[in-house]
Amino acid sequence: DVKVTQSSRYLVKRTGEKVFLECVQDMDHENMFWYRQDPGLGLRLIYFSYDVKMKEKGDIPEGYSVSREKKERFSLILESASTNQTSMYLCASSHRGTIEAFFGQGTRLTVV
Amino acid sequence: RKEVEQDPGPFNVPEGATVAFNCTYSNSASQSFFWYRQDCRKEPKLLMSVYSSGNEDGRFTAQLNRASQYISLLIRDSKLSDSATYLCVVNKGGSYIPTFGRGTSLIVHP
Repeated sequence: DVKVTQSSRYLVKRTGEKVFLECVQDMDHENMFWYRQDPGLGLRLIYFSYDVKMKEKGDIPEGYSVSREKKERFSLILESASTNQTSMYLCASSHRGTIEAFFGQGTRLTVV
Repeated sequence: RKEVEQDPGPFNVPEGATVAFNCTYSNSASQSFFWYRQDCRKEPKLLMSVYSSGNEDGRFTAQLNRASQYISLLIRDSKLSDSATYLCVVNKGGSYIPTFGRGTSLIVHP
């Protein structure tokens, strides 16, 4: 069974903290994505990666960075968490040449 | 114009009804299309792909209209368990980046 695993289901952090969200997939997928989902706004792409060490900005990269040191792992970093980054964060992966993406269970982050 | 647009609903239908959703996309270079289902507070899960020739899976039928740039999802004989948000996904231009619509909420009542 294909699997995308995010390190935490729920997370509460303080304003100004550096936050790491981890995502691991076991499907040998080349592509990995980070989205955030907010009511009424749908899924918005933060960053994506087509290969190890490679990263590209999505539609809303401000305040975020990413790291992909290994093919199976894609990390999202909030450099200095702010309350407007309270959201559901979803990691996804797919094979090269397709948009058929598989999602992790999501991390609901609250910044207080 | 947004890249992918959906009517947010909610569509409120009785069990056994037939319901259809549309999703329009703006980039004529898009060539990959999928429907996902998302239950409340869960991750999106692939429902079915959409082909030019249409695609049927049990009670679900997905179709693509390239000329008018929309895809559709038809659900026949609705069940209570079909209640969810349905997301359409289109590739961003000529890339392999999944771009999601905001979703259409379906509520099936007894």
